[in-house]
Amino acid sequence: NAGVMQNPRHLVRRRGQEARLRCSPVKGHSHVYWYRQLPEEGLKFMVYLQKENIIDESGMPKERFSAEFPKEGPSILRIQQVVRGDSAAYFCASSPSGRDTGELFFGEGSRLTVL
Amino acid sequence: GEDVEQSLFLSVREGDSSVINCTYTDSSSTYLYWYKQEPGAGLQLLTYIFSNMDMKQDQRLTVLLNKKDKHLSLRIADTQTGDSAIYFCAETLSYGGATNKLIFGTGTLLAVQP
Repeated sequence: NAGVMQNPRHLVRRRGQEARLRCSPVKGHSHVYWYRQLPEEGLKFMVYLQKENIIDESGMPKERFSAEFPKEGPSILRIQQVVRGDSAAYFCASSPSGRDTGELFFGEGSRLTVL
Repeated sequence: GEDVEQSLFLSVREGDSSVINCTYTDSSSTYLYWYKQEPGAGLQLLTYIFSNMDMKQDQRLTVLLNKKDKHLSLRIADTQTGDSAIYFCAETLSYGGATNKLIFGTGTLLAVQP
């Protein structure tokens, strides 16, 4: 059984370029979360999505960042016109639907470096 | 507010016990969690405790929960060098019964000296 798959694992972009990070949740999971980990900081919640819906995007910067989780295919976190401050590890997590222990299953992260 | 606080660093000798502490803010959290992150990797769930429990033991791990003080601790007995990692505590923020969002602490780096 595959866990949460993220790609790319490492991404280098120049300032002003776009970054697209992909996340395939655990098979059967319909809830996806994106977290950002800045160097020497904890994980900060960004966005929570269910299939085709954004449930909570309170942690997303207002500009340049967007996320989607389409009916088919992986969840995408998109960062437009990247800046150096966007350099971080971006973690995706998934959970099954319904009430449960709330455990999140994490991917190994995508590490974005902005030059 | 949503703030989970942890000390940043803990150093212990191999074979000693480690105690990592955490304070959280949401008294309605149903579950509280401890996750482990090894270098360059994602987070893995170590253990969790239901909010109506005071203590949970799982092999070398003991979780203590003080709801009155909103304090959570993780004790690792007989700490090994392989336990060196960052440990995150997390609380749940519920959406009125729907699936939860986890709020993580800053993480505690545990360094185990041989």
